[in-house]
Amino acid sequence: DAGVIQSPRHEVTEMGQEVTLRCKPISGHNSLFWYRQTMMRGLELLIYFNNNVPIDDSGMPEDRFSAKMPNASFSTLKIQPSEPRDSAVYFCASSPGGLGQETQYFGPGTRLLVL
Amino acid sequence: AQSVTQPDIHITVSEGASLELRCNYSYGATPYLFWYVQSPGQGLQLLLKYFSGDTLVQGIKGFEAEFKRSQSSFNLRKPSVHWSDAAEYFCAVGAGNQGGKLIFGQGTELSVKP
Repeated sequence: DAGVIQSPRHEVTEMGQEVTLRCKPISGHNSLFWYRQTMMRGLELLIYFNNNVPIDDSGMPEDRFSAKMPNASFSTLKIQPSEPRDSAVYFCASSPGGLGQETQYFGPGTRLLVL
Repeated sequence: AQSVTQPDIHITVSEGASLELRCNYSYGATPYLFWYVQSPGQGLQLLLKYFSGDTLVQGIKGFEAEFKRSQSSFNLRKPSVHWSDAAEYFCAVGAGNQGGKLIFGQGTELSVKP
């Protein structure tokens, strides 16, 4: 079975440009999570969806970040405009139902570098 | 608020030696507790989890962890480390009343000496 799929795997862009990260969760999973990982701040939850509805976006750093989940098999995380401090690895994860004891399955991540 | 502390940023052990990675959590009720492993350039993979029952839980790759409520700890152990265990290990706590939200610790990087 395919796991969580993220694209692109690597992205290099210049400050001010729009960046769109994509995620396809595991089929049948109802919850989707976006994380950001940096050396300084570790692994941070940005936002999560349950049944395509955003449940908690308190981790989204600022208005430059937005996330959507138009259907059960696709989500995007957009940064507009991007800044060098947004450089990080962004992970998408999914879980079957969004219950607290469920395993989250992580994608391979998108490594973003903003110059 | 929930929080997770992993006191050791980096640990080095010799191959074949035993391993214990520490994790302390802060949460008012019985937490859901997880250990994940991240190999270089990879996403996170679940090693084991605890949410009820026996406080000693077994995971993949020969790892185990023990939940100690009195110490608010969930330490990860392995009796004999292999070179392939070199990776970063994350402890996480989940709150049942917040859906699947997890709070991760800062991680412990494990190096294995030949």
